[in-house]
Amino acid sequence: RKEVEQDPGPFNVPEGATVAFNCTYSNSASQSFFWYRQDCRKEPKLLMSVYSSGNEDGRFTAQLNRASQYISLLIRDSKLSDSATYLCVVNQAGTALIFGKGTTLSVSS
Amino acid sequence: DAGITQSPRHKVTETGTPVTLRCHQTENHRYMYWYRQDPGHGLRLIHYSYGVKDTDKGEVSDGYSVSRSKTEDFLLTLESATSSQTSVYFCAIRTGSGNTIYFGEGSWLTVV
Repeated sequence: RKEVEQDPGPFNVPEGATVAFNCTYSNSASQSFFWYRQDCRKEPKLLMSVYSSGNEDGRFTAQLNRASQYISLLIRDSKLSDSATYLCVVNQAGTALIFGKGTTLSVSS
Repeated sequence: DAGITQSPRHKVTETGTPVTLRCHQTENHRYMYWYRQDPGHGLRLIHYSYGVKDTDKGEVSDGYSVSRSKTEDFLLTLESATSSQTSVYFCAIRTGSGNTIYFGEGSWLTVV
């Protein structure tokens, strides 16, 4: 079983739609969780950290379920500019971050 | 802007030649990383550094070496480039708060 798994997609949605991505991780000792966004031929950029209590940043909501070892990202009211690849990232204490392979989102008008 | 500069940004080299990629940071972060990204594999850690002259291997370190003689510079060397090392290479730094990492803009390497 891979350490961090994501549905690769692509997710094709119209503008204004709500879309959700899930990610599972295998190591129960994982301590930090993040979502990164990567545009084509660009570097990954931090979208948001994920906290146990869940957190929201505008149209984006991230949730963590430690018991089931999964992380989710919800995007409401999708914009054309949300089209990108979204990377789930997990960190265990004292190690580098482990990246999922990413989920591709395409928002169309 | 995390103050990370990678050079060169693009390079084409021949099989068997040595190649060095440089990562330069301006904010004195302790941890620095080299990742490669390939279709179907995502981002994979090559080597990382936790201080001057302190480095360790990552998941895909074979064929690569690193050096960190100054806090601000982390060098990745392909001793004898192979076609399988054609990839985009990202340098990253880790900030002290929240274990968040930030990436450089990437170095596109083609080995022909």
